[in-house]
Amino acid sequence: LAKTTQPISMDSYEGQEVNITCSHNNIATNDYITWYQQFPSQGPRFIIQGYKTKVTNEVASLFIPADRKSSTLSLPRVSLSDTAVYYCLVGDIEIETGANNLFFGTGTRLTVIP
Amino acid sequence: DAGVIQSPRHEVTEMGQEVTLRCKPISGHDYLFWYRQTMMRGLELLIYFNNNVPIDDSGMPEDRFSAKMPNASFSTLKIQPSEPRDSAVYFCASSLGGGVWNEQFFGPGTRLTVL
Repeated sequence: LAKTTQPISMDSYEGQEVNITCSHNNIATNDYITWYQQFPSQGPRFIIQGYKTKVTNEVASLFIPADRKSSTLSLPRVSLSDTAVYYCLVGDIEIETGANNLFFGTGTRLTVIP
Repeated sequence: DAGVIQSPRHEVTEMGQEVTLRCKPISGHDYLFWYRQTMMRGLELLIYFNNNVPIDDSGMPEDRFSAKMPNASFSTLKIQPSEPRDSAVYFCASSLGGGVWNEQFFGPGTRLTVL
């Protein structure tokens, strides 16, 4: 079971780039890295998923170094509406019964300050 | 599409009562997940179904909890009898193919308070 470690909370000013790093030292060869975002009083929302190097979409970028023991979610020029909890998950997408890998935990609470 | 629908949105009950939470997944999705969220433990997976069949219920806390999915468009999570420590927000999510790691779409949640 790939365990993840991420900061409990972060603060950032509006307009800044925010980088949230997740540590997953015992990531397995077939594991993918997935990030979700949760706004207050809502269910989580999928942000991005990757396996190695860099993945970018309209919302965020995901940077994964060669050893894959960590990953960094990058949010460009955050606004107040980016205040949310961000979860890092690691698991093997090929194993359909690998539910024990699906661990959200408490995530990182990002607060964007005006 | 209306997204994942959960009902009720809020439920207040007394200890010992039976509680039934309901979920309608997104049409066509073949995976359905039930989660529980508390401040102390975060977001925990309770059980998930694939094509209406329960695949892994190892997250269900105890025998007081049960979940069913009688058809592709409806699932229930039942707590009987309820206890104050069951107070939490319960989320239902669904996804299309690809196992548990495919993008999951979450409902708005049911906030349960057991007095």
